[in-house]
Amino acid sequence: GQNIDQPTEMTATEGAIVQINCTYQTSGFNGLFWYQQHAGEAPTFLSYNVLDGLEEKGRFSSFLSRSKGYSYLLLKELQMKDSASYLCAFMDSNYQLIWGAGTKLIIKP
Amino acid sequence: DAGITQSPRHKVTETGTPVTLRCHQTENHRYMYWYRQDPGHGLRLIHYSYGVKDTDKGEVSDGYSVSRSKTEDFLLTLESATSSQTSVYFCAISESGATGANVLTFGAGSRLTVL
Repeated sequence: GQNIDQPTEMTATEGAIVQINCTYQTSGFNGLFWYQQHAGEAPTFLSYNVLDGLEEKGRFSSFLSRSKGYSYLLLKELQMKDSASYLCAFMDSNYQLIWGAGTKLIIKP
Repeated sequence: DAGITQSPRHKVTETGTPVTLRCHQTENHRYMYWYRQDPGHGLRLIHYSYGVKDTDKGEVSDGYSVSRSKTEDFLLTLESATSSQTSVYFCAISESGATGANVLTFGAGSRLTVL
């Protein structure tokens, strides 16, 4: 079967670094996505990984290990505006997206 | 920002009534999707469209129907709303569909409450 898991909630301090993990199980894989969703708003695209390794985009980086079924989103120099939910999703062999329930990130001053 | 709008943004209705949600895009993207988002669940695909009059079911399609008569409009209909369909509904669009880097752009969402 297929499943995907990420922590429900995390708390971090402004200016710090936080890593949000995502694990998945699937027989077919066509990439992993991270989206950001502020409360009451639409999800917005952050990153896409299809090969192993780290992709860096400003303060945000995303890592993928296909052999371990594992990804993480790394947020550096946290700002209050980073308080949001972060959604992990993988694309299966039929190019359908399977979504995690999201990690709510709370940033404290 | 991508031109994608949903209407209505909020709706309260009673069990057994029909409801139609509209998604309108100005990007001329081929693929359009309807998702629902509920606490404790990931986004779940209801139906999607890969062209005018071309639609297919997602994982939670029971109780929902869709229509796409024009590239820019994708309608989601609940023929007889039930309380279990209380949710936030998101429309999304994409250019690439059945390829790996299928980045979705989402509408602002429609919050539906069925009493």
